[in-house]
Amino acid sequence: DQQVKQNSPSLSVQEGRISILNCDYTNSMFDYFLWYKKYPAEGPTFLISISSIKDKNEDGRFTVFLNKSAKHLSLHIVPSQPGDSAVYFCAASAYASGAGSYQLTFGKGTKLSVIP
Amino acid sequence: DAGVIQSPRHEVTEMGQEVTLRCKPISGHDYLFWYRQTMMRGLELLIYFNNNVPIDDSGMPEDRFSAKMPNASFSTLKIQPSEPRDSAVYFCASRREARETQYFGPGTRLLVL
Repeated sequence: DQQVKQNSPSLSVQEGRISILNCDYTNSMFDYFLWYKKYPAEGPTFLISISSIKDKNEDGRFTVFLNKSAKHLSLHIVPSQPGDSAVYFCAASAYASGAGSYQLTFGKGTKLSVIP
Repeated sequence: DAGVIQSPRHEVTEMGQEVTLRCKPISGHDYLFWYRQTMMRGLELLIYFNNNVPIDDSGMPEDRFSAKMPNASFSTLKIQPSEPRDSAVYFCASRREARETQYFGPGTRLLVL
């Protein structure tokens, strides 16, 4: 059972337009959310995060929105650039009492293609 | 800092052979994670360590998989015997404190024929 879902495997956007990547989660214990970006042949790199006490976090062209009631978060990239073409992973963190630590659960990723 | 270092970057082996993947975490990071990425399942956590001690290995798929962390700067993930369905990209990641960002290595692309 996937606790973090990215229902769109791929997304194509014109350069300069807005890219919106979506993520849904089922576990209400998640209290911290992250987005990672991955280029081919590289490991995922951290992009932006948001705590469950907030509903928005902005960093330059990247904004993450969190809707806790809907268990939904989204990543907005404005304006989109060809260099943003990558796979974007949504991740959620919760405290695992059995392990005594926080663990990340990742979605399957969305491949973003920004067309020049 | 050089970041998380993984070796080899690519591994091609035949079914039944032993495979050993290696990871050097970022210095000073107390947590080390092993992930596997496949098209079907995405990024799955296999096992993680805190201060060299395995904390949660519930993601390890079978007894054929084992991981060790003999010291703070080195970890291995071993598959013995390997099977074609083990073909995937294996990532190592590390982080310092409990809620800080995880930093990933470049991954090892494993192909088992």
